[in-house]
Amino acid sequence: TQLLEQSPQFLSIQEGENLTVYCNSSSVFSSLQWYRQEPGEGPVLLVTVVTGGEVKKLKRLTFQFGDARKDSSLHITAAQPGDTGLYLCAGEPPGSARQLTFGSGTQLTVLP
Amino acid sequence: EAEVAQSPRYKITEKSQAVAFWCDPISGHATLYWYRQILGQGPELLVQFQDESVVDDSQLPKDRFSAERLKGVDSTLKIQPAELGDSAMYLCASSRSTGPAEAFFGQGTRLTVV
Repeated sequence: TQLLEQSPQFLSIQEGENLTVYCNSSSVFSSLQWYRQEPGEGPVLLVTVVTGGEVKKLKRLTFQFGDARKDSSLHITAAQPGDTGLYLCAGEPPGSARQLTFGSGTQLTVLP
Repeated sequence: EAEVAQSPRYKITEKSQAVAFWCDPISGHATLYWYRQILGQGPELLVQFQDESVVDDSQLPKDRFSAERLKGVDSTLKIQPAELGDSAMYLCASSRSTGPAEAFFGQGTRLTVV
């Protein structure tokens, strides 16, 4: 089983602050995704990274895949209350027949 | 925009009763996943289908849980008998057959066993 550890588990910040969430593993992944989930809803895909060292930007969100494809980070600039939610990373192990393993999640609260 | 449909959204059942959840994936998505999620935690895979075939059900408690996708389209997850510890969000997701395994989720079914 490929394990993905996310940190921090909980994060509470003021509107306008910057933050970084981490997703780490000792295993290599052929692709890694980030999702955001709001209470009572299913996770929504934010981004997919597939190449080691890849950086993708989605408005104020910046995603990076580690060079060795074992870890990833999500950086949010000038956080807004609308960014509040559970952030999940998910990895696809090589040759896994499209299996996805999810991390334990980071619960982000942005206070106005 | 195509969506994954799940029903019901909420279900309250007494322990020892049977309960079933239904999922209709995005049209053309051959891969279908059922996940269970405890509040505030990451989803845990219960079963994965490729068309009508089971790819992985290693974490499915087979003494009480069953899943089927008879025609390779929609799917049903059943629990019998339900136990108090089964209270959770049950999420269905689907994925294309090519490219990265990006999962598109339904709204989930919130199950409460009393």
